[in-house]
Amino acid sequence: KAGVTQTPRYLIKTRGQQVTLSCSPISGHRSVSWYQQTPGQGLQFLFEYFSETQRNKGNFPGRFSGRQFSNSRSEMNVSTLELGDSALYLCASSLGSQETEAFFGQGTRLTVV
Amino acid sequence: AQRVTQPEKLLSVFKGAPVELKCNYSYSGSPELFWYVQYSRQRLQLLLRHISRESIKGFTADLNKGETSFHLKKPFAQEEDSAMYYCALRGLTGGGNKLTFGTGTQLKVEL
Repeated sequence: KAGVTQTPRYLIKTRGQQVTLSCSPISGHRSVSWYQQTPGQGLQFLFEYFSETQRNKGNFPGRFSGRQFSNSRSEMNVSTLELGDSALYLCASSLGSQETEAFFGQGTRLTVV
Repeated sequence: AQRVTQPEKLLSVFKGAPVELKCNYSYSGSPELFWYVQYSRQRLQLLLRHISRESIKGFTADLNKGETSFHLKKPFAQEEDSAMYYCALRGLTGGGNKLTFGTGTQLKVEL
């Protein structure tokens, strides 16, 4: 069974640009969550999508947005990139109901220069 | 608000010594607690969860609601236990799969 797949693995962008990251969950999983991982702040929750609807949202500015498609694949978009957005962005998928395990992808390493 | 605290950034022990990775939490409702592990160059993966009450790779963790703690323990450390360990919390009320993570503890098992 294929795991959670994130593309691209590495990305370098310039300040002010926008970026889109993609996450393909495990087949049959309907919940996709996004996290930002940095050395200073650790893992911070961005948002969760379930059946194409945003179910939870973390404390990030509106520049961070996401969506989920009918096949459960999810994309995350960051507009007007700032140097501080440089981080590892992790995606996790779950079956969707409570008390289920979250499976993580390998992440997309975003560097903003 | 929910919060997870892991007071140690780095824990270094000798092979065969007992290990205890500390985790304290703050949450007003009923929490579900997890330990995740990240081995070198591998993705983050679930080690154990308090609901299942399992022992995985010799590790155990007991939820202490009085002390709001969920410490991870292993009686005899092995070299392959060297990794980054994250304690995480999910609220059982309000729905969703949002996980709040601690800042992690790097466990180094020395020979």
